[in-house]
Amino acid sequence: RKEVEQDPGPFNVPEGATVAFNCTYSNSASQSFFWYRQDCRKEPKLLMSVYSSGNEDGRFTAQLNRASQYISLLIRDSKLSDSATYLCVVEYNAGNMLTFGGGTRLMVKP
Amino acid sequence: DGGITQSPKYLFRKEGQNVTLSCEQNLNHDAMYWYRQDPGQGLRLIYYSQIVNDFQKGDIAEGYSVSREKKESFPLTVTSAQKNPTAFYLCASSKLSAGDYYEQYFGPGTRLTVT
Repeated sequence: RKEVEQDPGPFNVPEGATVAFNCTYSNSASQSFFWYRQDCRKEPKLLMSVYSSGNEDGRFTAQLNRASQYISLLIRDSKLSDSATYLCVVEYNAGNMLTFGGGTRLMVKP
Repeated sequence: DGGITQSPKYLFRKEGQNVTLSCEQNLNHDAMYWYRQDPGQGLRLIYYSQIVNDFQKGDIAEGYSVSREKKESFPLTVTSAQKNPTAFYLCASSKLSAGDYYEQYFGPGTRLTVT
């Protein structure tokens, strides 16, 4: 069983749509959770951290459900520039160690 | 400008040859990491180092070696023992503090092709 699982997609959505991705993780001891964005053939970049209370950054909202061990990312009013792969990332010990999901590919169409 | 540099961007080698990938950071970060990414898969940790002259194996260390002689530098050698070396290699660095998480910053990566 993979430690961090994501639907690989692709999610094809029109501009302006709302799209949501989920991710499940297996290590119940994990404390920190993140969404990274990775453009084609580029390095991953931190999009946002995921807090227990949920957090919002502009059009992006991240939520954590510890009981069910899943994390979600909601993107409202999708832009063409949102087209990328979104990586769900879970910290698995206090030494700054990360486990990456395989990513969910989003394609926003005009 | 502060950041992480990796060179070269593309690297081609013949099977059986060792190859060393460069990673340098000027962010004054204590911790450095090497990951490998294969198509459609998440990043997998090869090696990491939290302090100069010390490093630890990650999940897929077999066939790889590293050194950390300077805080700024963490080169990765892909040896001929690595059975499937063709991949996208990413170096990252972060601050380090007990009990806190600090963002890992990634370099632009090196695409290694072995034929």
